[in-house]
Amino acid sequence: EADIYQTPRYLVIGTGKKITLECSQTMGHDKMYWYQQDPGMELHLIHYSYGVNSTEKGDLSSESTVSRIRTEHFPLTLESARPSHTSQYLCASSELYSEQYFGPGTRLTVT
Amino acid sequence: QKEVEQDPGPLSVPEGAIVSLNCTYSNSAFQYFMWYRQYSRKGPELLMYTYSSGNKEDGRFTAQVDKSSKYISLFIRDSQPSDSATYLCAMSAGGYNKLIFGAGTRLAVHP
Repeated sequence: EADIYQTPRYLVIGTGKKITLECSQTMGHDKMYWYQQDPGMELHLIHYSYGVNSTEKGDLSSESTVSRIRTEHFPLTLESARPSHTSQYLCASSELYSEQYFGPGTRLTVT
Repeated sequence: QKEVEQDPGPLSVPEGAIVSLNCTYSNSAFQYFMWYRQYSRKGPELLMYTYSSGNKEDGRFTAQVDKSSKYISLFIRDSQPSDSATYLCAMSAGGYNKLIFGAGTRLAVHP
């Protein structure tokens, strides 16, 4: 079954640590996205990619970086985690520009 | 002013009720309209996808778009406790334009 996966689902980590959030999809979609979601707030786009070796920053300023070396894989990295990075991170993919499919999310807590 | 406005709720209804969820928007260029359902600690799940104005029905769910009023609705008939979730509207002008989300309405259906 085609799907989109995120690991880890939950992560508690100390300030200053480097972390990588993994996202993989088996749908063959060219377009992939990372969103940040805080409770009761809109999803904010932080990074997106329209294909291999293509990455762009989204609307919300983020200290994270992304890479897209393979179509199915779109990891997000924080070089030095801070408490302000505590949030839920959602990965999505799409074939069309509008119809996006989401992974289960990674809930990150930085202590 | 936000591009997409959505009443955060919470909305509490008895089982079997008809639920109406709504969003208003300001950008007349939006053409693609979506409703997502998000259970607690999960990623959003695409429920309905509509292009331009009109109605679309899928089982107990009906999506309506009124572009002249910049207003979209999701109706849930015969609501069930399993419908308890946060419902997010999302819209886009298409092409390379990004998906803009509402903040979500929290729905609770009690037995």
